[in-house]
Formats: sequence, C-alpha cells, structure tokens
Amino acid sequence: EAQVTQNPRYLITVTGKKLTVTCSQNMNHEYMSWYRQDPGLGLRQIYYSMNVEVTDKGDVPEGYKVSRKEKRNFPLILESPSPNQTSLYFCASKSSRDRGLGSYFGPGTRLTVT
Amino acid sequence: AQSVTQPDIHITVSEGASLELRCNYSYGATPYLFWYVQSPGQGLQLLLKYFSGDTLVQGIKGFEAEFKRSQSSFNLRKPSVHWSDAAEYFCAVGATYGGSQGNLIFGKGTKLSVKP
Repeated sequence: EAQVTQNPRYLITVTGKKLTVTCSQNMNHEYMSWYRQDPGLGLRQIYYSMNVEVTDKGDVPEGYKVSRKEKRNFPLILESPSPNQTSLYFCASKSSRDRGLGSYFGPGTRLTVT
Repeated sequence: AQSVTQPDIHITVSEGASLELRCNYSYGATPYLFWYVQSPGQGLQLLLKYFSGDTLVQGIKGFEAEFKRSQSSFNLRKPSVHWSDAAEYFCAVGATYGGSQGNLIFGKGTKLSVKP
C-alpha cells in the first residue's frame, strides 16, 4: 500500500530538548516536504526536498532543520524546540514525474512543547 | 506571489442540502488546483485536482469543482451533503513550473458543519 508514515504521532516535550520527527514514503517519490498546521492559518510549508541531498526552505523554516540522505526518508529536526513550535506537522511526498498530481500526506504528528 | 483565499471560515448546512465552498487564487499562470479534506483528528485526503482540460472536475465522495479562469476561482460543490461530510476543507495551489513544482500553497480552510 502506498503511504507516507510519520513517527511519533504524538509528542510532548520541554523547551530546548532536541527532537526528530521521522517521515518515510514507500512510493519512490523524489519530492518530499514538511508542513505545519495551526488554527486559522491553514498549512504552511517548512522545508522541502526535490531529491536526495537537495533541500530548501519553505515559508516558515526558522527553528527547523531537515536532511535527505535517502530517497525514502525526510526527517524534521528541532534542535531547540520552543512553545511556538507547538503544532500539527504533516509530511508529504510527490513524484516529480506526475505533474499536477496531488501530494500524498502522512497522518500527522501532534507536537506540544511546554 | 501565489496565494489562496477561502473567504468562509465556517459554514453550516443541513443534511441533504447543497454545498458550495469558495476558493480564489492568485497565480501568474494557470496553476494546479486541489481540494483536500481533513476529518477531525485525521490527515489530509485529496478530494480532486485540476491541471488541464475540462474545467469541471469530479472527485471522490460525490464532490466536484469548477475552474473559472476569469474569476480565478476553483469552488467546490456537492449537490446533497451527508453528515459524514462534516470536516475541514482546504483549497491549495501548486506551481506548474520551476523548482517549486511540488510546493503547495494552502488556503486557511473552511470548516463545514452539518445539521441533522
């Protein structure tokens, strides 16, 4: 089954404690991205990657890092989380060959930073 | 800059009534357009998409949307709403060229409530 998986699904942490949210897709997609969803703001893109070792900032990259060492994985790293990063995070993937094809989204990770 | 506007934050309709959710976009060319649905506590599911051809597109769950270039709109419709349609709906624009082809710009969403 084609899918995007994220782990963990729920995470409560404290300010300053480094954390990583993993994202993996099994569709051999080149393009992967991270979004955060906040009430009244919709989804905003954090970072994206067009292929292995190619990453770029989205609209709200501050406080986040990513890496793309393998095609299937695209972890999101919060080096020093702060309460304003409390949000619902979605990973998405898309094939660069299917122009106009919608992205596949993961189930989301709800992060709370206290 | 690309942008998406969903003018209605919250809409309530009666079960069995028709539905139209509005979406307006700003883009330099004809974009790729999408509607996603998010049920409470769930991820995003693609309802339908437009990237060329017939301006009236059919999606899953009985939804359809019409692309109107002159109005920069891509409104979502359903002739008869079911209680299970209660969810939040997001319109999104995707770039059609350049390195950002995979990027999606989302509207802020419209929450749909369904009255029995």
